[in-house]
Amino acid sequence: DAKTTQPPSMDCAEGRAANLPCNHSTISGNEYVYWYRQIHSQGPQYIIHGLKNNETNEMASLIITEDRKSSTLILPHATLRDTAVYYCIVRPAGNNRKLIWGLGTSLAVNP
Amino acid sequence: GAVVSQHPSWVICKSGTSVKIECRSLDFQATTMFWYRQFPKQSLMLMATSNEGSKATYEQGVEKDKFLINHASLTLSTLTVTSAHPEDSSFYICSARDYTGLGGTQDFGPGTRLLVL
Repeated sequence: DAKTTQPPSMDCAEGRAANLPCNHSTISGNEYVYWYRQIHSQGPQYIIHGLKNNETNEMASLIITEDRKSSTLILPHATLRDTAVYYCIVRPAGNNRKLIWGLGTSLAVNP
Repeated sequence: GAVVSQHPSWVICKSGTSVKIECRSLDFQATTMFWYRQFPKQSLMLMATSNEGSKATYEQGVEKDKFLINHASLTLSTLTVTSAHPEDSSFYICSARDYTGLGGTQDFGPGTRLLVL
């Protein structure tokens, strides 16, 4: 079973920031938080991951709470092309570790 | 991110035939590849983990004789759905692990949509 809880759906206005929450209250010390997204009928796309520090890349920012029990993915300026299902996954470090997928959050960016 | 390709992107076949799906890592060597299946409006379900040069590890409930996986090189893994039936119709997705340390990422192929008539 997935170790994360996400809202099933969210809406966001184009150009605004999209803040997608994720709860992972049972996360272990060696588990990373990963975010992927899946646009309709495509393979998942990696967005960002982190262990305990906040992370930022060209796609998004990841804010992890100090107790690591929850995180937020931030898309700073959402566009229509960001409409997708966003998955938050926790995974232990090390090779061959599996990604366990939940149902994610379906984000609709509206014009 | 690293590039993973799949071929074909979609396939329609008759019940009872076998279908082979290829997964390639184009710009890196992948010692580990993963095969997933996704039914409509559901999440990805891991079918098996494939390590180059060794037998694949299948998840519980996945028939290894029906879903044959071969990972003969560091850039190619194949999934063969043998004697396909309509219930095997699904979206099959592979991913390859670009190991860059403890927090290595998985990159995914575009998926193969299989329709069995």
